Amino acid sequence: GAGVSQSPRYKVAKRGQDVALRCDPISGHVSLFWYQQALGQGPEFLTYFQNEAQLDKSGLPSDRFFAERPEGSVSTLKIQRTQQEDSAVYLCATGTSEYEQYFGPGTRLTVT
Amino acid sequence: DQQVKQNSPSLSVQEGRISILNCDYTNSMFDYFLWYKKYPAEGPTFLISISSIKDKNEDGRFTVFLNKSAKHLSLHIVPSQPGDSAVYFCAASAMDNFNKFYFGSGTKLNVKP
Repeated sequence: GAGVSQSPRYKVAKRGQDVALRCDPISGHVSLFWYQQALGQGPEFLTYFQNEAQLDKSGLPSDRFFAERPEGSVSTLKIQRTQQEDSAVYLCATGTSEYEQYFGPGTRLTVT
Repeated sequence: DQQVKQNSPSLSVQEGRISILNCDYTNSMFDYFLWYKKYPAEGPTFLISISSIKDKNEDGRFTVFLNKSAKHLSLHIVPSQPGDSAVYFCAASAMDNFNKFYFGSGTKLNVKP
């Protein structure tokens, strides 16, 4: 595909469940970002990868959040023991450099 | 503590007129600024950027102005078109942490035909 794809597009989880959100970058993009966007807010930075290296994870809100990109391509954001405050749209963005970001459509997570 | 603020949640403009979207920031270390446009159910798409060495950048109908002393930037769209109706986000990053972008909360622009 031509753009960044994310799956699933929608996810409903019961409080306490673990979830895994996937991001497929544009081919050749070395930079990959994850953002969390709460309702009515702008995206908030979670973490940044350059290839397979996670260079910045300062935005991850707790140790329940974990991201990986083992082969420098597809990335997974995992949230353990989901809480209601985790409900948000999770956006992935990729680019050829740190200054460039092409966003995917996002995964809307609802924790009930 | 929001470092990038968009104080107008919405803006309505007549087609053909100018749209001016505003953004303020608090961190004097920010040196790179971007505007994104977002349609419903899609991710944000890049519109235009400006670095702190400039005070203006123009791309077709879109112009971004940066006032470093006021820590303020604005996006001008002229002439506005109905297809410009979307949510606009400004974002900023700092040279010492260039991969970390801070976004405002967005302004919803409605361009009326």
